[in-house]
Amino acid sequence: SAVISQKPSRDICQRGTSLTIQCQVDSQVTMMFWYRQQPGQSLTLIATANQGSEATYESGFVIDKFPISRPNLTFSTLTVSNMSPEDSSIYLCSGGESSYNEQFFGPGTRLTVL
Amino acid sequence: AQSVAQPEDQVNVAEGNPLTVKCTYSVSGNPYLFWYVQYPNRGLQFLLKYITGDNLVKGSYGFEAEFNKSQTSFHLKKPSALVSDSALYFCAVRGTVSDFNKYYFGSGTKLNVKP
Repeated sequence: SAVISQKPSRDICQRGTSLTIQCQVDSQVTMMFWYRQQPGQSLTLIATANQGSEATYESGFVIDKFPISRPNLTFSTLTVSNMSPEDSSIYLCSGGESSYNEQFFGPGTRLTVL
Repeated sequence: AQSVAQPEDQVNVAEGNPLTVKCTYSVSGNPYLFWYVQYPNRGLQFLLKYITGDNLVKGSYGFEAEFNKSQTSFHLKKPSALVSDSALYFCAVRGTVSDFNKYYFGSGTKLNVKP
């Protein structure tokens, strides 16, 4: 299994600013993903973070708003740009090996935008 | 597209009683199915998976799940519930062929175990 950490665990931000969330995996993983989750609700996939190339975004999410980096097989960042209160949510990263199938999740970053 | 459905928003059970959290799936091809648990203010924790083989899959914390192809179901079960099992449970399915590296999550079921 992989152990995933995220920083920050929570933040309160002003509208119009940007926040970068870091995701660190304790081992190399093939796949990394970023999700958004409202408390008590299901997960919405934002994008797949691809190592060495541009992320693959889901419908409704764009690179200008959610730029993602993945410089190596153990680290990724998600930036929430030009934030508005609608961006208030929990952001989760996950990772896993394609052959193992299951994903492992970070503890999440709880973002509040005022 | 692949999908899973969790028909119950909430399941209430008394401690010591058996519990079942329901999940049905819709996939093209063979399903890769998963259960995750989420405790308050935490990320999701992997419980168990079905890829192939025995229809009864055993996982962490005494949980098991039964894969039923004819009913397209993958219900999560535990013989004797604990108060500490109270959490949010998610069923998920992996994509097939064109979306093999994507995962589709159900809406979640909140499990309440009363002492």
